[in-house]
Amino acid sequence: GAVVSQHPSRVICKSGTSVKIECRSLDFQATTMFWYRQFPKQSLMLMATSNEGSKATYEQGVEKDKFLINHASLTLSTLTVTSAHPEDSSFYICSASVLEMADEQFFGPGTRLTVL
Amino acid sequence: GESVGLHLPTLSVQEGDNSIINCAYSNSASDYFIWYKQESGKGPQFIIDIRSNMDKRQGQRVTVLLNKTVKHLSLQIAATQPGDSAVYFCAETSNSGGSNYKLTFGKGTLLTVNP
Repeated sequence: GAVVSQHPSRVICKSGTSVKIECRSLDFQATTMFWYRQFPKQSLMLMATSNEGSKATYEQGVEKDKFLINHASLTLSTLTVTSAHPEDSSFYICSASVLEMADEQFFGPGTRLTVL
Repeated sequence: GESVGLHLPTLSVQEGDNSIINCAYSNSASDYFIWYKQESGKGPQFIIDIRSNMDKRQGQRVTVLLNKTVKHLSLQIAATQPGDSAVYFCAETSNSGGSNYKLTFGKGTLLTVNP
């Protein structure tokens, strides 16, 4: 149980375009979803936290207008990288948690974004 | 701000040896700690966790030790196998207000197991 999927697993886009990444909890309802970014040989850095039906809370230094997060249902959250630039190339990972076990997060497999 | 860090960025061991990966944390309010394994191109995989009311927890071939006095966490892997080669992250959780718990990851240790 507690499986989280991401789609796509990897995406290549041109500079200036927008890319949407989906995060789904497959066998549970996630009250909270988290988005992380990981640059090569670095650790995971939390970008934002989103609760179903409410606006995401962004970490300091993360542009909310550039990284649009939508958490419309208890099983789906999306991250849209708008007007992507090469420096946005990274590994994006989502995780999900449930209210009953709020301190445990279940991670997705990640999405590799390459902006040309 | 407070952070979680690691003493050793890389660790190379022989197959069959025991591995010890260390982590220091600075948030004295942390009450839940997790070790993750991350293979190249994949998401973090849960290995073992420990809460602050414990100082040791064992799983299959893995043991986590928590020393709250010096804010130190370690992961011990017994009889290390080539399949254990990966980056290992420690993480701690703190309540960011309300019901949300934020995970703070350490820098990671690359474990290489030589056959």
